[in-house]
Amino acid sequence: QSALTQPASVSGSPGQSITISCTGTSSDVGNYNLVSWYQQHPGKVPKLLIYEVSKWPSGVSNRFSGSKSGNTASLTISGLQAEDEAEYYCCSYGGSNTLIFGGGTKLTVL
Amino acid sequence: QLQLQESGPGLVKPSETLSLTCTLSGGSISNRSYWWAWIRQPPGKGLEWIGSIFYSGTTYYNPSLKSRVSISVDTSRSQFSLELSSLTAADTAMYYCARQIGGGSWSFDLWGRGTLVTVSS
Repeated sequence: QSALTQPASVSGSPGQSITISCTGTSSDVGNYNLVSWYQQHPGKVPKLLIYEVSKWPSGVSNRFSGSKSGNTASLTISGLQAEDEAEYYCCSYGGSNTLIFGGGTKLTVL
Repeated sequence: QLQLQESGPGLVKPSETLSLTCTLSGGSISNRSYWWAWIRQPPGKGLEWIGSIFYSGTTYYNPSLKSRVSISVDTSRSQFSLELSSLTAADTAMYYCARQIGGGSWSFDLWGRGTLVTVSS
């Protein structure tokens, strides 16, 4: 199993929308609708933003949205805010009762 | 309020076995809607799933760690534990325990604050 591929960094200005991609294979992302996304501020605990590709946990802003096409999942953040500056991780079920994380993407709000 | 709290040594010697415990407060670890997991994060690096356990004792492990990992549960104490053997410096990381949404969701909606484990002589 290899880590899912995410861009190392993305950036955007306040109010804009950005999208973070998460590329896997037909054995993980492409085969299951079990992708989740986490936000982690420096020195803090990861926070679940999206689960099962596009579902929101209670209390998470709908500015965060998830989607999937083929072997690539995406997290879109709309109406970018300064507090969105953080590291973002995708995660996918890998089959055979295993789980794979992406390498993480650092979001900078300009 | 539902909380997870990791406990264990912060410093372990190479080749030794790491033992960590996660205690759930404010809820039941026997809740059939959830699994319980360990996840780690080396300093400055990404997240790595270690393994998950159901209250019944059923476990799933990361294949890359499977030969060195054991996760157990003690429902009477609302705790689950991690043992990782044959430690090397590469095992130095923040270790998190987390609640895994059941029903095949494979996502983590509640995390402990984490405990930093350093492997060094």
